Amino acid sequence: GQNIDQPTEMTATEGAIVQINCTYQTSGFNGLFWYQQHAGEAPTFLSYNVLDGLEEKGRFSSFLSRSKGYSYLLLKELQMKDSASYLCAVVDSNYQLIWGAGTKLIIKP
Amino acid sequence: GAVVSQHPSRVICKSGTSVKIECRSLDFQATTMFWYRQFPKQSLMLMATSNEGSKATYEQGVEKDKFLINHASLTLSTLTVTSAHPEDSSFYICSARTSRGPFGDNEQFFGPGTRLTVL
Repeated sequence: GQNIDQPTEMTATEGAIVQINCTYQTSGFNGLFWYQQHAGEAPTFLSYNVLDGLEEKGRFSSFLSRSKGYSYLLLKELQMKDSASYLCAVVDSNYQLIWGAGTKLIIKP
Repeated sequence: GAVVSQHPSRVICKSGTSVKIECRSLDFQATTMFWYRQFPKQSLMLMATSNEGSKATYEQGVEKDKFLINHASLTLSTLTVTSAHPEDSSFYICSARTSRGPFGDNEQFFGPGTRLTVL
């Protein structure tokens, strides 16, 4: 079967750095997305990785290792508005998104 | 960018009634649209994949007679929840796929979601 694992919840302090991990086992791989979702809203795009390595975009970076079936999302200089759920999603061989359960990130002042 | 709208954003209905949710791609044509539902504190669950001009493909466990999907044009897909019951209360999100985005066919653009509450 297809499986994506993420921690259920993480807590971090404003101004700090947090890394959210995602491991996956899917039938085929055509890329991995990270989305941010605030409560009651639709997911919004953060990053996309299809090749191994680190993609940096402002305060957010995403890393992928296809051989290990592993990705992480790194958030720097955390702000209170970063409190949200972060969803890892893999594009499988049928070009469908396979979703992780999401990681709820709580930012404390 | 690629914008997807959903209407209504929130609906409250009585048990036994039917509710229609519209999903529109505003500035692009979407050959494929997806319908998800999301329960509180859970991730998105794909309900069905909708291709323009053909019947929707439903995921296992999703009742096709209860959740009617119509994708009559390249910019509009509708989800009708028939004879809704309280257990159908959920957050319904549509998305559209277009090769127009920077990640080609891999990317989906999401509507803002519809909160359905069945009393």
